[in-house]
Amino acid sequence: AQSVAQPEDQVNVAEGNPLTVKCTYSVSGNPYLFWYVQYPNRGLQFLLKYITGDNLVKGSYGFEAEFNKSQTSFHLKKPSALVSDSALYFCAVRVIVLTFGGGTRVLVKP
Amino acid sequence: SAVISQKPSRDICQRGTSLTIQCQVDSQVTMMFWYRQQPGQSLTLIATANQGSEATYESGFVIDKFPISRPNLTFSTLTVSNMSPEDSSIYLCSTPGRAQETQYFGPGTRLLVL
Repeated sequence: AQSVAQPEDQVNVAEGNPLTVKCTYSVSGNPYLFWYVQYPNRGLQFLLKYITGDNLVKGSYGFEAEFNKSQTSFHLKKPSALVSDSALYFCAVRVIVLTFGGGTRVLVKP
Repeated sequence: SAVISQKPSRDICQRGTSLTIQCQVDSQVTMMFWYRQQPGQSLTLIATANQGSEATYESGFVIDKFPISRPNLTFSTLTVSNMSPEDSSIYLCSTPGRAQETQYFGPGTRLLVL
């Protein structure tokens, strides 16, 4: 069975500060890892993915994520957060089907 | 990326009735997925719909409650049957991208059952 954990329900950060959203996973086999973002009253948007290769992957809107196999983590990061980054972020893993974490609400304050 | 549209975008329904949600993709895809997002919750996979075969349902979801059609490679419907307030959710259609690595989502159908 595969599972994804996002340990923080909410992350608060001041605009301009670094943003980190944590994700750990549990799978058998090599996972495909994803981050999605959901803005209020809008659909789910793909941010980035890790399939293979370089452990640091870069995605949309200045986000990046680091795959750490030994810690089974895939934390999402942004060096300087914007107020417009306030949204709900989902980590997901796929071996056969896509399984989502519980989501982390990010609030960036001006 | 695939362009996915859903109809209706939202609806308010009475308990005991049924609603059929349509999903249209701008390209032919083998697999289509239906997810549910209950209020304040994450996304849960309901079923996988392959063209030409019966849908495969995840644990906790049954065909009688969520019948799915997949008449061709660009279209699918999900019906929420005999609705109750607990069915109030956002229902999302999803397909893999051309490289089969990334999965894309429709805008969702926001359902409120009174």
